[in-house]
Amino acid sequence: AQTVTQSQPEMSVQEAETVTLSCTYDTSESDYYLFWYKQPPSRQMILVIRQEAYKQQNATENRFSVNFQKAAKSFSLKISDSQLGDAAMYFCAYRSPNTGNQFYFGTGTSLTVIP
Amino acid sequence: DAGVIQSPRHEVTEMGQEVTLRCKPISGHNSLFWYRQTMMRGLELLIYFNNNVPIDDSGMPEDRFSAKMPNASFSTLKIQPSEPRDSAVYFCASSLAPDPNTEAFFGQGTRLTVV
Repeated sequence: AQTVTQSQPEMSVQEAETVTLSCTYDTSESDYYLFWYKQPPSRQMILVIRQEAYKQQNATENRFSVNFQKAAKSFSLKISDSQLGDAAMYFCAYRSPNTGNQFYFGTGTSLTVIP
Repeated sequence: DAGVIQSPRHEVTEMGQEVTLRCKPISGHNSLFWYRQTMMRGLELLIYFNNNVPIDDSGMPEDRFSAKMPNASFSTLKIQPSEPRDSAVYFCASSLAPDPNTEAFFGQGTRLTVV
């Protein structure tokens, strides 16, 4: 099974500041996809951003962007201008057509936004 | 589309009782996943189906757990007999296969408490 590691169980950020959540993964595949999900207290899992491994350009969605380092197998999420509504658990996930198309999730990072 | 629909949202049962969790995936999706979320273990994949066929059930904890997908629009996860350690939030998610670029869409989860 693929391994997805989120080494920061908890993070905090001041409102309006920038925070980076880290994620690394272990794979021998060249074709795969990476995702960041947000889980607020409502517990609904919401897709934040995705990245195709064959694309060198880092994905961006408004205040959310990733730093994808394929050689290092690293996929960090940067949240700019943090807002109170960003407070949530964040999960990194990996998916590959060569490993059954299932999703492998990290253990999550709990983000607190300080007003 | 109403998204992935799970029922019930909350379930409290006594140890030894049978519990059935239900899931209706998004229409047109052909992959369905059952996850269990706990504080200690994070998100664990229990089983997933492609085109109603179970592909990988290696995450099912033991014989007390069983899952079925009789058709493309319905799946159940059954625990019989239930035990207090089964208490967790159970998520159902659906996606499109074999396109790995599509994300998993999650239901709102069922919070199971076994007393």
